[in-house]
This record gives sequence, structure tokens and C-alpha cells, in this order.
Amino acid sequence: NAGVTQTPKFRVLKTGQSMTLLCAQDMNHEYMYWYRQDPGMGLRLIHYSVGEGTTAKGEVPDGYNVSRLKKQNFLLGLESAAPSQTSVYFCASSILAGAGNEQFFGPGTRLTVL
Amino acid sequence: DQQVKQNSPSLSVQEGRISILNCDYTNSMFDYFLWYKKYPAEGPTFLISISSIKDKNEDGRFTVFLNKSAKHLSLHIVPSQPGDSAVYFCAASASNNDMRFGAGTRLTVKP
Repeated sequence: NAGVTQTPKFRVLKTGQSMTLLCAQDMNHEYMYWYRQDPGMGLRLIHYSVGEGTTAKGEVPDGYNVSRLKKQNFLLGLESAAPSQTSVYFCASSILAGAGNEQFFGPGTRLTVL
Repeated sequence: DQQVKQNSPSLSVQEGRISILNCDYTNSMFDYFLWYKKYPAEGPTFLISISSIKDKNEDGRFTVFLNKSAKHLSLHIVPSQPGDSAVYFCAASASNNDMRFGAGTRLTVKP
């Protein structure tokens, strides 16, 4: 039981390049989330999904797109990377949402945009 | 607009003593509060939570206190151990998918 895994662990991009971050969970969770963590800012929600085939915007969605084609996978895409997107990205999943919502996090992806 | 604030970036305590981490929030709609612990190069892991209908929740060495009127919660760790050294995030949710996190407090427990 691997829990939540993220690929890749590290990535360096040039401004304007695109990339996709992959998140996979093997706990059969309905809900999945993408966060970014910046110094002094805590974790901020980018997008989330309440089930296969559904996605919704979080607190800071601009510049990102997501897809949830399979229940166990949640992809985060950057179409044209900008230096402001340099951050550590965390994926999380949970059985339920709202009150009592314990989220399980992946180990993170450190992205640098030059 | 940071709705969850952890005003102490760092805290250092001696092994065996009490660690008290504080968190303030501004949104009165928050009804569930959680603490996460994060080690370097790992994702956050759930530690303890509390519903707004309670004012205290205890789990072993960890106790969370909620003061709704002051919009304040705190995490007490007694006794503190060197393995507790980590970054602690306070989080709050309002019965939807929007969970807000504080900026974190780095706890160092000295042997």
C-alpha cells in the first residue's frame, strides 16, 4: 500500500515550457487535491476533484489545469510555466470532504522555473 | 487574505517540557480544525483534529484546545520528544472542500 505517490520528485523548467505532474493514490479515495507550498504562505489549494471525471478550482487556480480521467490519478498541468510557479507541489487525497476531512499527502514535487 | 495564521515561525523547547503551538483564524464559518506535522522532504501527515462543537481533544501526548470566541486554537505536546521536531501546520475547513492552512511553525525539541 503506497498511499499517495507523486512523479517527478524534482523538475527544472525554463519559462514558457510545459509539464505535467502526476499524482496516484491506491486507497480508493474519491477526493483528490493539488496544493502549492511557498515560504511563509502555508499550503494553498490549486484545484481539486470530487470524483472521476470532475474537477474544480481552488484558491489559486490560474496558470494550471487538471484532469481526473481515472479515480486513482490526478494530473496537474502547467501549459506555459512562469517563474512565479516555482514552488513545492503537494497532492493529497481523502475519503470524504468537509468536516472530518483528513487528507493524505504525497511527498511533494519541487519545481523550479527559470 | 490569510484566514488561518500561525504567528510564530519557530519554537524551541527542551526535551520533556511542554510545547505549545498557536493558531488564529478569521473565518467564523470554519467548523473543523486539524493539525498536520511535516518532516523535511516528506508530505504533511495528519496529527489531530477537533470539531467546533468541542473545546478539547486529546490523543496521547497531543492535545488540541479550541476557543471559538477568540477564534484561537492551540496544540499542546507533553512531554516533548526530539522526534517531535518538525513543522506543524494548522488547518481549518468550513464543511466544504476548501481547507485553509497556516504558514507553519517549526518546532525544535532539544535533547
